[in-house]
This record gives sequence, C-alpha cells and structure tokens, in this order.
Amino acid sequence: AQSVTQLGSHVSVSEGALVLLRCNYSSSVPPYLFWYVQYPNQGLQLLLKYTSAATLVKGINGFEAEFKKSETSFHLTKPSAHMSDAAEYFCAVKKSGGSYIPTFGRGTSLIVHP
Amino acid sequence: NAGVTQTPKFQVLKTGQSMTLQCAQDMNHEYMSWYRQDPGMGLRLIHYSVGAGITDQGEVPNGYNVSRSTTEDFPLRLLSAAPSQTSVYFCASTRTPENEQFFGPGTRLTVL
Repeated sequence: AQSVTQLGSHVSVSEGALVLLRCNYSSSVPPYLFWYVQYPNQGLQLLLKYTSAATLVKGINGFEAEFKKSETSFHLTKPSAHMSDAAEYFCAVKKSGGSYIPTFGRGTSLIVHP
Repeated sequence: NAGVTQTPKFQVLKTGQSMTLQCAQDMNHEYMSWYRQDPGMGLRLIHYSVGAGITDQGEVPNGYNVSRSTTEDFPLRLLSAAPSQTSVYFCASTRTPENEQFFGPGTRLTVL
C-alpha cells in the first residue's frame, strides 16, 4: 500500500525566509503527486500537481515542488514566505493505474512570523 | 459553477440523533468522496463513490452510510451520532482518477 510522510507537523519561518515543506512517499509504480493548501476554516485547494510531464512543478502563489524519484520525495518550496502563506499544507499521492483514492499525509502547519 | 457545496456549515447533535450531511457538485464528476478531519490525523476517508449507484467503504466507515442516486449528490448519513464523530467533514469530487480533487467548504459537527 502506498503511504505519505510529511516531516514536521509544524514549520515556523520568518516573513521573507525560504519555505521548505517535506513530503516522502512510497509507491511501487510511478505516482501522481499533489500538494493542497487549507486556509483556516476552509476546504482544501490544489497548490500544484506532478503528473510526469516535468520533474519541477510550479504552482500558485509562488510555490513549486520537485519530484525526485531516487529519493521518493516531492518537497514543496517557496523562496520568500509571506504572512498570507500561513496555512495547513497536505501532500497526497495517487498510484497510477490503481484506485482513484489518494493517500494524504497528516499535514504540516506553516507558521509565518513577521 | 458553484463547484462542491456542503450543507449545513455547522451542526450540533445530541448523542443518538441521526442526520444527513449534504454534498453536491455541478461539475459532472463521477468520483466523489467523504473525509473527516481531526487534529493531528490529517484526512481520513469515510466512503467514496465511482459513479451513480456505486459506493464503497474507506478507512473509517463505521457509523456512516452513503448512497449515490445521482451524479450530482452524495449525502452522508450518521445513523446514531456519538461524541467520537465530532469532527470536520469534507466532501470532494474529481473528474478522473489522474486529476486533483475539488473540496467543499466543510461541515463542522459537534456531538454532545
């Protein structure tokens, strides 16, 4: 079965600093990978997704993620954090050719200090 | 398009009461799911559907029922509410298995 590990339930950065949210997955076949963001009291919305077209994926709000097959990782980065980036971030993996149901990580809460 | 809508936004129940959480989507998506979100637990799948008339259990189905009579609607029924079902419930839909899910705004349920 596939699994997703998000390292760190909370990540704290200063405004303007680099954001790095880690995601590692296990999958026996090439996966589809997603990052979602959840702002307070809202549902999840897609930040970006990897579907094998390119290993570096650019998403909304300046976020990007790089698929590294050898490391089974899909870390999310943003060069400069903004106060409005404070939210919960979820990594999700879906095995190609398998069930449509994705497996979600437990989430990482991003805290941005002024 | 309204996307995925959920009603109600908030609900308080007493132990033993039953209720139905409504979910509808206007994107003609075949695939729909119900999740619950609890602190530190991420999203856990309750039930899902791959089309009208077809449903299946997810990770935490006990105490919940679903049906899918139309493509648009996917209601979640709590048969006899328990305090352990206090949670935030999200409905989601997707067009194909390779695509991202679209989430509703959630229903915050408290069971006393």
